[in-house]
Amino acid sequence: QMQLEESGPGLVKPTQTLSLTCTVSGGSASSSSYCWTWIRQPAGKGLEWIGRLCTSGTTNYNPSLKSRVTISVDPSRDQFSLKLSSVTAADTAVYYCARSPSYYFYMDVWGKGTTVTVSS
Amino acid sequence: DIQMTQSPSTLSASVGDRVTITCRASQSISSWLAWYQQKPGKAPNLLIYKASSLASGVPSRFSGSGSGTEFTLTISSLQPDDFATYYCQHYNSYSLITFGQGTRLEIK
Repeated sequence: QMQLEESGPGLVKPTQTLSLTCTVSGGSASSSSYCWTWIRQPAGKGLEWIGRLCTSGTTNYNPSLKSRVTISVDPSRDQFSLKLSSVTAADTAVYYCARSPSYYFYMDVWGKGTTVTVSS
Repeated sequence: DIQMTQSPSTLSASVGDRVTITCRASQSISSWLAWYQQKPGKAPNLLIYKASSLASGVPSRFSGSGSGTEFTLTISSLQPDDFATYYCQHYNSYSLITFGQGTRLEIK
């Protein structure tokens, strides 16, 4: 049973880059069967899809975040990561990593989430 | 962008009730719709994909239907564990994947 776990700083200063890692266990991050996705949720609000990366190299990003987002994968470590640059308080949220089947954009396995606060 | 609108925003029901949540898309998304359940402080959990396919391990009291622009999630007989927030999500286009605003299912 594949599991995902997010890690990274819980506090990021405005204008800096938010960096999170998702570790894949019980499976391989290099599997061609899956794509790796990031979603976020501000406190008390709904879900926002950030983007995803497939091992084929294909990436898809939320157009509203595209200029600031990079998702990458490190198959040797079974990890994938999120970088979000030039953060503001509006980027404060719980960040989830998730797995999507390769040809579809729903998420069938989720990490538990990690809270990131943007504050000086 | 495709907008997803859920109704109602809040639903009060009792254990044993049959409940239905509706999700409407601003344009046709065929059957490219998923439903998730989220409990406080937890990650969402996939219930339904492709509008009506039950995800692995999900109880059969959950069902989904619809196509095009109107979709429903039905819980046939509410259990205490079902009180949570439910989200729909379209995946018709990778240009922007969006979720509905959520429906909070609370105990009457």
